[in-house]
Amino acid sequence: QKEVEQDPGPLSVPEGAIVSLNCTYSNSAFQYFMWYRQYSRKGPELLMYTYSSGNKEDGRFTAQVDKSSKYISLFIRDSQPSDSATYLCAMSAWIQGAQKLVFGQGTRLTINP
Amino acid sequence: DAGITQSPRHKVTETGTPVTLRCHQTENHRYMYWYRQDPGHGLRLIHYSYGVKDTDKGEVSDGYSVSRSKTEDFLLTLESATSSQTSVYFCAISESKGAGYEQFFGPGTRLTVL
Repeated sequence: QKEVEQDPGPLSVPEGAIVSLNCTYSNSAFQYFMWYRQYSRKGPELLMYTYSSGNKEDGRFTAQVDKSSKYISLFIRDSQPSDSATYLCAMSAWIQGAQKLVFGQGTRLTINP
Repeated sequence: DAGITQSPRHKVTETGTPVTLRCHQTENHRYMYWYRQDPGHGLRLIHYSYGVKDTDKGEVSDGYSVSRSKTEDFLLTLESATSSQTSVYFCAISESKGAGYEQFFGPGTRLTVL
């Protein structure tokens, strides 16, 4: 079983829809939770970062963490064609003196105009 | 982009040849990382560094070595490239943010081993 599970999709929704992306994890040592956005042939770009259970909002994006269920989500409101990208969840813990990130497989999202 | 550059950006090489990828950062970050990204596997950690001459192995380190003789440069070497090392390689740095650290990635190097 992978430490982090993420449905690879692809996911295709119409413009303006609410998008929900999810990951589950198995290692309770993870302390920090991130969402990255990656456009085709580009490096991952940090979108959201949180370290506690609950919600964090940034514009049209909301990150949700439920540590008791080992489940994290990213919601995108009023989705735009420019949101079309691959979204990767990532979780980190400090191990042997360095921050180690474990990534989900990534979900490819397409927003249709 | 956290001041990270990678070189080369694209490389095609043959099986058995040595290859070195370079990651350069301009902001004096202590922690640097090398990942590879493959379809179906996401990003996987190869090696990381927590200071000059201080490095350690990640999840998929076999066939790779690293060196960090200066804070700003982190080199990844494939001693004898194999076709299974065809991948996109990303360098990352950790930057302290509030209660934790955030990782930022470079633009990537696309490596093809024939």
